[in-house]
Amino acid sequence: DIEMTQSPSTLSASVGDRVSITCRATQSIGRWLAWYQQKPGKAPNLLIYKTSSLESGVPSRFSGSGSGTEFTLTISSLQPDDFATYYCQQYNSSPLTFGGGTKVEIK
Amino acid sequence: EVQLLESGGGLVQPGGSLRLSCAASGFTFSSYAMSWVRQPPGRGLEWVSAISGSDGSTSNADSAKGRFTISRDNSKNTLYLQMNSLRGEDTAVYYCAKGASISGWLYGDVWGLGTTVTVSS
Repeated sequence: DIEMTQSPSTLSASVGDRVSITCRATQSIGRWLAWYQQKPGKAPNLLIYKTSSLESGVPSRFSGSGSGTEFTLTISSLQPDDFATYYCQQYNSSPLTFGGGTKVEIK
Repeated sequence: EVQLLESGGGLVQPGGSLRLSCAASGFTFSSYAMSWVRQPPGRGLEWVSAISGSDGSTSNADSAKGRFTISRDNSKNTLYLQMNSLRGEDTAVYYCAKGASISGWLYGDVWGLGTTVTVSS
């Protein structure tokens, strides 16, 4: 199974900050990676698929990059609505696997 | 509007069974792969099982193999998860999620609100 590791597990930042979250895979997954945002008590919400394709309706301050085994989700200017937990997910091979999550907190 | 609404969760004793349902609306249900993803209390997301929209082929996580069965009724726009031999570690919120294509479920572009399963004596 492909294991996905996210770092950091918690990130403290202020409104307006540029933040980046890293996701690493234990083997190459090409560009078959998605990112989700989840708020407490809510379902995950798809942000990005195929590493860098922005889902419809997602603000352009979110972007994704990477390939192979290392990927990054970047929020260019953190907004109050962005404080949440973020998960990466690989879909290169079954079983589909998620990273452990990165919680973005208010500094 | 695309919507998914799960039901069927509850409290069940270890070794018991539950059947989860997910009612879909706002899209052509038969044209998309569907999946179940769970989240134990305070923890991350775990993919459980998926089913294609085309030929009904399925795939399962190791944790589900032999115990959980995913199925769909395209005439009722409903996804199911039959869960048998339940264990404490199956306690979680179970989400159904729509895939972006008909064949394999790759990632979820629409998610339901979730239904809570608690396995405890």
